[in-house]
Amino acid sequence: GNSVTQMEGPVTLSEEAFLTINCTYTATGYPSLFWYVQYPGEGLQLLLKATKADDKGSNKGFEATYRKETTSFHLEKGSVQVSDSAVYFCALSDSWGKLQFGAGTQVVVTP
Amino acid sequence: EAQVTQNPRYLITVTGKKLTVTCSQNMNHEYMSWYRQDPGLGLRQIYYSMNVEVTDKGDVPEGYKVSRKEKRNFPLILESPSPNQTSLYFCASSLTETYEQYFGPGTRLTVT
Repeated sequence: GNSVTQMEGPVTLSEEAFLTINCTYTATGYPSLFWYVQYPGEGLQLLLKATKADDKGSNKGFEATYRKETTSFHLEKGSVQVSDSAVYFCALSDSWGKLQFGAGTQVVVTP
Repeated sequence: EAQVTQNPRYLITVTGKKLTVTCSQNMNHEYMSWYRQDPGLGLRQIYYSMNVEVTDKGDVPEGYKVSRKEKRNFPLILESPSPNQTSLYFCASSLTETYEQYFGPGTRLTVT
């Protein structure tokens, strides 16, 4: 079956540092890939997505590229802010409607 | 305002007492889904529905039921709750399974 593996947290960074969260997946076919973010006490909201190989999703300074050859979708941001502190989830959707989420990575940004 | 609503937001119940968590969306979305969130496990899909009257099992369907009689509503039913169903539950909807999912605010369920 499909699966998503992402790096464990928490990841603790200073403001303006570079952030990378690794995500790899296993899937048959051609899944769509997503990054969602969850702020404390809230539901998840979409951060970015990519629907085919070599697509790059970007939003709010975050980027991720759909790499089929390495089955990866790593999230990056060049300069984090305290407001980026949250839990980040990598996810995939197959063409039959099933969604798989990674376990989530907590990011803590300190001033 | 486009949104997904869930009720109740918090629920404490006892083992074996049937309960229903409602979910409603006002975006005319075809796809709806239920997840549970547990520490260290991320979100796991319970059931999903591609459109009205069509539902299918996710990864952890045991102990849950759903129905999709209307496009906007997708209730989650626990016929006989057990303590291992204590969790944070999210409902979500989207145009289709490949589009952005809009999540509800969550329902925190405790089964004693």
